[in-house]
Amino acid sequence: AQRVTQPEKLLSVFKGAPVELKCNYSYSGSPELFWYVQYSRQRLQLLLRHISRESIKGFTADLNKGETSFHLKKPFAQEEDSAMYYCALSGGSNYKLTFGKGTLLTVNP
Amino acid sequence: DTGVSQDPRHKITKRGQNVTFRCDPISEHNRLYWYRQTLGQGPEFLTYFQNEAQLEKSRLLSDRFSAERPKGSFSTLEIQRTEQGDSAMYLCASSFGLLNSPLHFGNGTRLTVT
Repeated sequence: AQRVTQPEKLLSVFKGAPVELKCNYSYSGSPELFWYVQYSRQRLQLLLRHISRESIKGFTADLNKGETSFHLKKPFAQEEDSAMYYCALSGGSNYKLTFGKGTLLTVNP
Repeated sequence: DTGVSQDPRHKITKRGQNVTFRCDPISEHNRLYWYRQTLGQGPEFLTYFQNEAQLEKSRLLSDRFSAERPKGSFSTLEIQRTEQGDSAMYLCASSFGLLNSPLHFGNGTRLTVT
């Protein structure tokens, strides 16, 4: 069974502070991991995926298979980063995503 | 806007009524997914299509739920004899069928069953 755990429902930081959104997963095979973001009054959209190994809007995430984690990090948070962030896992050939419950990030001025 | 579109945006219905939602995916996308999201939860997978074939259905999808994708283009999700527990945001997403291509989501249809 696939499972994604985001332990923090809410995370509040000040502008310029580092931010880390935690994500742990459970999957017996070789997973694909993603971070999706939903800004206020916008649709859910892909932020980044582990296989592309790229930095989007200053965010990075490293897949740690030993710890089964895929934490999202940004060294200096900006107010426009305030949003709901969902970690998601895809396994198998059907490409369906299993989402975590999400973390609401608030970046205060 | 060439993204995924869903109609209606909101639907209020009385318990026991039937409702139908529509999703128009991005035109070249061959995969289409339906998800349901309730308050405080992430999206939960309901079903998905590759072209017109419905390849997987979640256990969440009771017999009252049916989805179709005729001709592999738009899709409809019907809920019969709605219950208050069906109140949720219903999200549609589409993707191109390469390995783990990103899902593109619509704005969703918010269903309220009174």
